[in-house]
Amino acid sequence: AQKITQTQPGMFVQEKEAVTLDCTYDTSDPSYGLFWYKQPSSGEMIFLIYQGSYDQQNATEGRYSLNFQKARKSANLVISASQLGDSAMYFCAMSPRGYSTLTFGKGTMLLVSP
Amino acid sequence: EPEVTQTPSHQVTQMGQEVILRCVPISNHLYFYWYRQILGQKVEFLVSFYNNEISEKSEIFDDQFSVERPDGSNFTLKIRSTKLEDSAMYFCASSLLDRGRQETQYFGPGTRLLVL
Repeated sequence: AQKITQTQPGMFVQEKEAVTLDCTYDTSDPSYGLFWYKQPSSGEMIFLIYQGSYDQQNATEGRYSLNFQKARKSANLVISASQLGDSAMYFCAMSPRGYSTLTFGKGTMLLVSP
Repeated sequence: EPEVTQTPSHQVTQMGQEVILRCVPISNHLYFYWYRQILGQKVEFLVSFYNNEISEKSEIFDDQFSVERPDGSNFTLKIRSTKLEDSAMYFCASSLLDRGRQETQYFGPGTRLLVL
């Protein structure tokens, strides 16, 4: 079974600053994928970034990067140069390789202030 | 950019009634999913669907639930006799997933179901 833990229920950051959202995971699967999704107040789930467990480099997508530390089983999301539109709930999720089930964490609410 | 669409955006129903939630996955995707999110809680997997049959399902997906791909574009979730605890946001997702590879699931905007 997989488990995702997001220990920060809420985070505050000022516009233009960087912020790190924590995610730790637990799995016995040797190969897996890690995902981050953003959920604005409107409710939709927006895919942000993916990291494969055997990827040699940390994933980056524009202002989003994933700080992947396999030995520590952590996959923290780093948002650089925060914008007001980044205010949303952020979910970390994982899936074993070759399977389709995504297991989600409880989420972190990020508020970006001017 | 292709996206997953869902209808209706909101649905209010009486307890015991049947509801059908509709989804149009991204056109070249092969795997389809339903998830739900009870208000204030995390997203939970319900079921995945591939090649016109259920691929995986969770404990939540009991006999009250069914899925169908009635034509080449739609993917539906039916709840036969709704209960108060079925009130949630229901998300449809799709992916290109090829077994043995990892593929991203893209989510629709959700249907907010309220059972009274």
